[in-house]
Amino acid sequence: DQQVKQNSPSLSVQEGRISILNCDYTNSMFDYFLWYKKYPAEGPTFLISISSIKDKNEDGRFTVFLNKSAKHLSLHIVPSQPGDSAVYFCAASAGAGNMLTFGGGTRLMVKP
Amino acid sequence: DTAVSQTPKYLVTQMGNDKSIKCEQNLGHDTMYWYKQDSKKFLKIMFSYNNKELIINETVPNRFSPKSPDKAHLNLHINSLELGDSAVYFCASSQEVQGGIAYGYTFGSGTRLTVV
Repeated sequence: DQQVKQNSPSLSVQEGRISILNCDYTNSMFDYFLWYKKYPAEGPTFLISISSIKDKNEDGRFTVFLNKSAKHLSLHIVPSQPGDSAVYFCAASAGAGNMLTFGGGTRLMVKP
Repeated sequence: DTAVSQTPKYLVTQMGNDKSIKCEQNLGHDTMYWYKQDSKKFLKIMFSYNNKELIINETVPNRFSPKSPDKAHLNLHINSLELGDSAVYFCASSQEVQGGIAYGYTFGSGTRLTVV
């Protein structure tokens, strides 16, 4: 039973355009959400997070949007760069310090 | 300086063997974890451990056991390896939330285990 789902296994975007990665969750107890970026042969690295008291969090080119009623969050990358090509994992927890439940990941390919 | 380091990076072994994967973190974090990335790329929690409590995911076979000689280390020992144990195993650490601010996890680079 997947509590965190990333329904798009891959996404291809042209350099300079916007990348939108989506994530859905089912557990209404989740109140803290994170995005991780993973390059091949490396561990996932923390990218950006959002708590349920907010609906938007921005950090440079990265913005995460949270729609609690739809149990949906998205990561926007603007403008996309070839170096953004990686696998992006969405994760959620019930409480910011608690164990994370990960989605299956979305592979983003940014074409020059 | 590597914050969370795992060794070995690759491990190929025969069925039935016993093996260990080591993990060390130099971040001073309170909690360490082992995750398994399965063939579908899902990261599933196996164990979490701090100096107070070991939490085991009940789906993990008891052939897997975490061993923590001290706060900075959490090793994963696997007995009687099976073909289905082939996967990438990630170690991670985190600091307890302070002041309502969480820092997420810091992951190691993974250990690719292949059981033949």
